[in-house]
Amino acid sequence: DIQMTQSPSSLSASIGDRVTITCRASQGISNYLAWFQQRPGKAPKSLIYAASTLQSGVPSKFSGSGSGTDFTLTISSLQPEDFATYYCQQYHTYPLTFGGGTKVEIK
Amino acid sequence: QVQLVQSGAEVKMPGASVKVSCKTSGYMFTSNYIHWVRQAPGQGLEWMGIINPNGGSTSYAQKLQGRVTMTSDTSTSTVYMELGSLTSEDTAVYYCARRQIRSGSFDYWGQGTLVIVSS
Repeated sequence: DIQMTQSPSSLSASIGDRVTITCRASQGISNYLAWFQQRPGKAPKSLIYAASTLQSGVPSKFSGSGSGTDFTLTISSLQPEDFATYYCQQYHTYPLTFGGGTKVEIK
Repeated sequence: QVQLVQSGAEVKMPGASVKVSCKTSGYMFTSNYIHWVRQAPGQGLEWMGIINPNGGSTSYAQKLQGRVTMTSDTSTSTVYMELGSLTSEDTAVYYCARRQIRSGSFDYWGQGTLVIVSS
């Protein structure tokens, strides 16, 4: 199975900060990488697919990059609604696998 | 608009089975595969399997093989996930999610179904 490693596992940031989360795959996955946001008690929400393409309706403060094994999710100018847990996922190979998550908390 | 609406919470005894439904609307049911993902309390996301509603072909996570069955009903645009031989390790929120045609990624998610396994 392809292992997905996210870092950091948690971070504290202030309103207006720029935040970057990284995700590393244990083997190359081209750009078959998605990012999800999950607020407490809610279902995940799809943010990005193909490493850098925003899902419809997702604000442009979210951006993704990377290819192969190393990927990043950047949130520019954090707002209160952005405090959540973020997961990466590879969909290159079955079984699909997720990173362990990055919890973004308010400083 | 696309919606995936799941059935309500369940409490089951160890050894029992649970069947969770995911009723879809707002798109052509047979056009998109449906994934199932679960999340144990305080834990991350775990992929369980996928079903093609057009014909019913499935692929399951190896660790769940033999215990999980995914089915679809085109007359009601509903997919089902049944998990048997439940243990406390199966206590989790179970989600269905639609596979996006153009990308192969997920786009829409159900609201989740809490399954508690306890004696």
